[in-house]
Amino acid sequence: QVVLTQSPSASASLGASVKLTCTLSSGHSGYAIAWHQQRPERGPRYLMRLYNDGSHNKGDGIPDRFSGSSSGAERYLTISSLQSEDEADYYCQTWGTGIRVFGGGTKLTVL
Amino acid sequence: QVQLVDSGGGLVKPGGSLRLSCAASGFTFSDYYMSWIRQAPGKGLEWVSYISGSGSTVYYADSVKGRFTISRDNAKNSLYLQMNSLKVEDTAVYYCAKEGVAVAGSPVDYWGQGSLVTVSS
Repeated sequence: QVVLTQSPSASASLGASVKLTCTLSSGHSGYAIAWHQQRPERGPRYLMRLYNDGSHNKGDGIPDRFSGSSSGAERYLTISSLQSEDEADYYCQTWGTGIRVFGGGTKLTVL
Repeated sequence: QVQLVDSGGGLVKPGGSLRLSCAASGFTFSDYYMSWIRQAPGKGLEWVSYISGSGSTVYYADSVKGRFTISRDNAKNSLYLQMNSLKVEDTAVYYCAKEGVAVAGSPVDYWGQGSLVTVSS
């Protein structure tokens, strides 16, 4: 059973960049994932689908400041030129026949 | 554009039942897999169930298997979640979510606004 691991928290300054990590469990390094953003008191929003080769397909209206990359079992979400509205929880997700799995989420604080 | 409107949440006693609905628009509903995903207060996202476009294939998380039933009415562009034998730990915001068309699975690419279910005596 695939498991996704995320750090509980991260922080970065306004205008800077931050790289969030989602780690796939052993034996599942080939899986694609998706990244979702959840702002405070809001529902989640799909950001992008990220493949094991680092290619990604972003959702409608997602700014160029959001990008994805991959290395082995790690999947990354990089947010550049951080804005106050980027302060949110970020979840990774993967899927297979009969299962859908979410990581525990990373709470991003913009300083 | 794609819209998913969740409804049917409310307060129910332990052991009770509730039916959630999701009205979909802006895409060919019958082509797409759909999921229910929940979020307990202050917690992360937990997948609950998914259903294929035709409705012939359904899967459930172990935590709800045997108690919850997912279904859809493609003529009405609607998704449902019948929740029976509710427990206090089922208290959460429930989100309807659109996926893709792949049999092997796809990520959620649109979310509903959520419907709060509170199970309490």
